[in-house]
Amino acid sequence: DTGVSQDPRHKITKRGQNVTFRCDPISEHNRLYWYRQTLGQGPEFLTYFQNEAQLEKSRLLSDRFSAERPKGSFSTLEIQRTEQGDSAMYLCASSFGRTPRDGYTFGSGTRLTVV
Amino acid sequence: QQQVKQSPQSLIVQKGGISIINCAYENTAFDYFPWYQQFPGKGPALLIAIRPDVSEKKEGRFTISFNKSAKQFSLHIMDSQPGDSATYFCAAHFPNAGGTSYGKLTFGQGTILTVHP
Repeated sequence: DTGVSQDPRHKITKRGQNVTFRCDPISEHNRLYWYRQTLGQGPEFLTYFQNEAQLEKSRLLSDRFSAERPKGSFSTLEIQRTEQGDSAMYLCASSFGRTPRDGYTFGSGTRLTVV
Repeated sequence: QQQVKQSPQSLIVQKGGISIINCAYENTAFDYFPWYQQFPGKGPALLIAIRPDVSEKKEGRFTISFNKSAKQFSLHIMDSQPGDSATYFCAAHFPNAGGTSYGKLTFGQGTILTVHP
């Protein structure tokens, strides 16, 4: 499968726990994006990596959120001390160029439920 | 300033009919307008896209109409089929200052399309 892969597909966690999601982009893509999608809404940009460098972070990304992309390959998104408001679909996308025309592809997402 | 407003929230169309979804934006710096289709449990998939210097783009049954002066664009699905039933999102790309681009997209709220057989 040459698409964007996200793991796990679903995560249920208790409030206050930490969770970590993984994204494996398309292998030749050097750009990686994280979005969050709540029920009935469009995806909202969270952060962006070019290779291993995190170049932009949304104000939506509170200090409980951290994202990494070591070695410029896969990426992880960690949420510490989860809150019920963190319940959402977390989407990863990757591209090979600097514009959305350049093979911008989304994964199927990780659905987080905080109880 | 970077919002994209989409309507309607939901749309029901009979098989063979035309589905029309509308979007409006404020920021004239947006330089690329894609439409995405999303099925339950899947990520958004690019359907069709247009640049602001083009007034219309057609790909198969899908057409984008773009009105730059009104800052509006719409998706038309001709001969709608039950398999088109999905959530549709318009989006816009905002280039960063200085001519750089991070490929960041701003999405509309989505339209749930149901096509009845």
